Amino acid sequence: QLQLQESGPGLVKPSETLSLTCTVSGGSISSSSYYWGWIRQPPGKGLEWIGSIYYSGSTYYNPSLKSRVTISVDTSKNQFSLKLSSVTAADTAVYYCARWTPVTAILPWGQGTLVTVSS
Amino acid sequence: EIVMTQSPATLSVSPGERATLSCRASQSVSSNLAWYQQKPGQAPRLLIYGASTRATGIPDRFSGSGSGTDFTLTISSLQSEDFAVYYCQQYNNWPPLTFGGGTKVEIK
Repeated sequence: QLQLQESGPGLVKPSETLSLTCTVSGGSISSSSYYWGWIRQPPGKGLEWIGSIYYSGSTYYNPSLKSRVTISVDTSKNQFSLKLSSVTAADTAVYYCARWTPVTAILPWGQGTLVTVSS
Repeated sequence: EIVMTQSPATLSVSPGERATLSCRASQSVSSNLAWYQQKPGQAPRLLIYGASTRATGIPDRFSGSGSGTDFTLTISSLQSEDFAVYYCQQYNNWPPLTFGGGTKVEIK
């Protein structure tokens, strides 16, 4: 059964770079036809898609965050990562990693990790 | 960007009753529409994809319908574990993937 697990610092200072890693178990991140990506949810608010990386390495970002986001993959570790630069308090959120396809939507999701931006 | 609008924001329903949740897209998304359930402190769980196909393990009291711009999630007989927030999401025109603002189903 495919499982995803986020990891990274829970506290980031304003203007710094948020870095998270998602470790995939129970399947290969190199499997064809899958997108791997990040979604976030500010406390008490709705869901926002950040971006995705295709198994081939192509990346797709939310235009609202594009200038600050980088998603990359490390196939040797079966991991993919998120970097979000120049963070502010507005970037405080639970960050989820997930796999999705244009057929079956977003499944599965990681459990999520809370990242707080504060000095 | 396709804007997804869910209504109502909050739905008060008694256990055993039927719940009907709506989702509207700002332009056609064909049948590329998914529904998710989220309980407090948990990640969203996929219920429906392709507008009407239940994900593996989802009870048949959950059903989805619609195409184009108007979609409905129906819970035929609400169980205690169904009280949660429900989100719709389109994956037809992207980036970006976009979500609705959510409907909270609460106990009446």
